[in-house]
Amino acid sequence: AQTVTQSQPEMSVQEAETVTLSCTYDTSESDYYLFWYKQPPSRQMILVIRQEAYKQQNATENRFSVNFQKAAKSFSLKISDSQLGDAAMYFCAYSGGSQGNLIFGKGTKLSVKP
Amino acid sequence: GAGVSQSPSNKVTEKGKDVELRCDPISGHTALYWYRQSLGQGLEFLIYFQGNSAPDKSGLPSDRFSAERTGGSVSTLTIQRTQQEDSAVYLCASSLAGALFKTQYFGPGTRLLVL
Repeated sequence: AQTVTQSQPEMSVQEAETVTLSCTYDTSESDYYLFWYKQPPSRQMILVIRQEAYKQQNATENRFSVNFQKAAKSFSLKISDSQLGDAAMYFCAYSGGSQGNLIFGKGTKLSVKP
Repeated sequence: GAGVSQSPSNKVTEKGKDVELRCDPISGHTALYWYRQSLGQGLEFLIYFQGNSAPDKSGLPSDRFSAERTGGSVSTLTIQRTQQEDSAVYLCASSLAGALFKTQYFGPGTRLLVL
């Protein structure tokens, strides 16, 4: 069975600084997708970025980028120029198989200090 | 366009009562997922609908949980004889298709509290 591990329950970053959130996963599948979702106190789960496993190039979305190491089964999220609005729970998620249901890590709570 | 909507936003019920939670997916999305988010278990997959195919119920925790999707659109998650351990946030998500390539878009969730 696939698993997703986020080893940092909480992280803190100074506004305008850079922070990296860690995620590792375990799978025997060769074709899959990885996601980072953000969940603010409003509960709305918002997609931050996604990575296709067959692509070697790391995905980037504005201030958000990933470091995808397929052999190491690692998928970290880097947030540059952190903003107060980035404060939220961040979930790493895996999607594989025919249905595509997501398997989530436990989440990392990110605080941004002004 | 309109996103995924869920109702009610919050629900308080007494142990032993039945509850129904509703999800309206994004128009045109054929795949619909239910997840449960609780403090102890994190985010768990519950059930998956794809078009008119039989749903994948592999994530439902007990036979007290059931779900249906009418007309390939709106879905209702029903919990019978609620227990305190059912207290959680129930999230619904939809995507264009049930393949792993399709991004899931989430609703705001229903927070269920069983007293």
